[in-house]
Amino acid sequence: QKEVEQDPGPLSVPEGAIVSLNCTYSNSAFQYFMWYRQYSRKGPELLMYTYSSGNKEDGRFTAQVDKSSKYISLFIRDSQPSDSATYLCAGTTNAGGTSYGKLTFGQGTILTVHP
Amino acid sequence: EAQVTQNPRYLITVTGKKLTVTCSQNMNHEYMSWYRQDPGLGLRQIYYSMNVEVTDKGDVPEGYKVSRKEKRNFPLILESPSPNQTSLYFCASSKGDSYEQYFGPGTRLTVT
Repeated sequence: QKEVEQDPGPLSVPEGAIVSLNCTYSNSAFQYFMWYRQYSRKGPELLMYTYSSGNKEDGRFTAQVDKSSKYISLFIRDSQPSDSATYLCAGTTNAGGTSYGKLTFGQGTILTVHP
Repeated sequence: EAQVTQNPRYLITVTGKKLTVTCSQNMNHEYMSWYRQDPGLGLRQIYYSMNVEVTDKGDVPEGYKVSRKEKRNFPLILESPSPNQTSLYFCASSKGDSYEQYFGPGTRLTVT
């Protein structure tokens, strides 16, 4: 079993829809969670990060972590065609030291927002 | 411009022919990593380095070597490539106190 599991999709939604992207993780030591966005033929770029449980909002994006169920979510409101990309969740232990270089990624979800 | 560069971007080679993929960052980052990305498997870490001359294995290190002789460079070496190493490879770097990794543009490697 992978430490971070993510439904690969693909997910196709109309412009303006609310998108929900989800991951589950198995490592109880994970405390720091990230969402990366990867456009076609590009490297991933950090979209949002959250520490431990709770919500974090940034514009149209909200990241949510539920440590009790080991569930990570990313919500996109008023989705736009420019949001079409692969979204990757990642976790790490936040133990400092070597954990700064050690992220565990999910498989990525391919999202298409059509006009 | 702050960036991570990789060369080459595309490479087709034959089984057993040694190759090196270069990675360089201009952000003075301590951490550098190599990942491979395969359909259905996502990004998997091959090796990472916490600083010059300090490297450690990631999740899938078999068949790869790395070195970190300078802070800005972190080459990935395939001494005897095999077809199962056909993949999309990414180099990434981060500061020593941050989980934000900056990724390069990727190198698509095909081994026949």
